[in-house]
Amino acid sequence: DTAVSQTPKYLVTQMGNDKSIKCEQNLGHDTMYWYKQDSKKFLKIMFSYNNKELIINETVPNRFSPKSPDKAHLNLHINSLELGDSAVYFCASSQLLAAAYQETQYFGPGTRLLVL
Amino acid sequence: AQSVAQPEDQVNVAEGNPLTVKCTYSVSGNPYLFWYVQYPNRGLQFLLKYITGDNLVKGSYGFEAEFNKSQTSFHLKKPSALVSDSALYFCAVRDPHASGGGADGLTFGKGTHLIIQP
Repeated sequence: DTAVSQTPKYLVTQMGNDKSIKCEQNLGHDTMYWYKQDSKKFLKIMFSYNNKELIINETVPNRFSPKSPDKAHLNLHINSLELGDSAVYFCASSQLLAAAYQETQYFGPGTRLLVL
Repeated sequence: AQSVAQPEDQVNVAEGNPLTVKCTYSVSGNPYLFWYVQYPNRGLQFLLKYITGDNLVKGSYGFEAEFNKSQTSFHLKKPSALVSDSALYFCAVRDPHASGGGADGLTFGKGTHLIIQP
């Protein structure tokens, strides 16, 4: 069984559209994340979220918004897509430990977004 | 601010030879360090992490990494490379003293392509 899954795997869309990427984890983790990997393979955190707080990377445009219907899901909604949004988006999850920051993050397979 | 440097874009090693992928870090306190591997068109897979204790950490697929505080390094190593080890390797850090609460993400290096030649 896939621990962290994302849908769709590929997403091709036009500039200006609104799209969502879904993420589900079956690990029972309480924290989920979204990362963006650009064309040069550079990975950067976008959001981290648990049932208590949302932490937003200040460089992320407000066109991006995470939505969590429940603890096992963290979807990424993108408004007014731009060419520069083309990238691979990875979802991840972890279980916060008593000693913060030590936990391992488990990644989904990624969603390849192409904006035309 | 925390940061990670992977000085080599690509490392080429002959199959059967030992391999090293370099990583240095910068944090304000004691770091938590991670290595991940990414195969083509796949997500990241966790290899190993250093939190505290023994400086030599053993992980998946025969990989190990050595934490060196004085050199602020966390190089990934394997005694005998396999062709199947060819992939993109990421070093990552978390700073337990960073602001932002308990759910900050990892800070990744830019990645190193490891190519194992038969």
